[in-house]
Amino acid sequence: DTAVSQTPKYLVTQMGNDKSIKCEQNLGHDTMYWYKQDSKKFLKIMFSYNNKELIINETVPNRFSPKSPDKAHLNLHINSLELGDSAVYFCASRRESRETQYFGPGTRLLVL
Amino acid sequence: DAKTTQPPSMDCAEGRAANLPCNHSTISGNEYVYWYRQIHSQGPQYIIHGLKNNETNEMASLIITEDRKSSTLILPHATLRDTAVYYCIVREISGTYKYIFGTGTRLKVLA
Repeated sequence: DTAVSQTPKYLVTQMGNDKSIKCEQNLGHDTMYWYKQDSKKFLKIMFSYNNKELIINETVPNRFSPKSPDKAHLNLHINSLELGDSAVYFCASRRESRETQYFGPGTRLLVL
Repeated sequence: DAKTTQPPSMDCAEGRAANLPCNHSTISGNEYVYWYRQIHSQGPQYIIHGLKNNETNEMASLIITEDRKSSTLILPHATLRDTAVYYCIVREISGTYKYIFGTGTRLKVLA
């Protein structure tokens, strides 16, 4: 059974489009994260939600908007996609009061 | 910025112990040291974490110096499947459990 899943796995789109990436965890965790890994392999946190409440919001362009319909899901919507948005986006989750974050398989976004 | 520094790459012979160093000289007293690894382009995988005592689990051992300014991750019998980028992370004490990933060490296990 997949603990943290992301859809789609690959996403190729044109500049200027709006797209969403979905993340679901079946671990019963309370906190979820979005990370971005760029072409140089730097992995940076973008957002974190705890029980549907935003708790971390790094300096990310406001074209990126996370949405958490329930604590098992954290989706990432990106407006007006730019070339620089091309990256691998990882979702992660963690149980409250536990240290370990569990990462999803990643979504590879390519903006043309 | 990351609070850790690691060598960019290391090689290890299959079956031998892989010792991956990490420097975290500015670590605070209540900050944990975490190790994750990323195999190829998969999502990072948790390995181990510790505060000040040495830790061991089924994957690895973590040795933290007495002054806590550095640590070493030990994979006791490296296999080809251990080839990955290994990240040493010091978690911020803000309570949000935010990880700041550094550049990591690319470990290559050689047959």
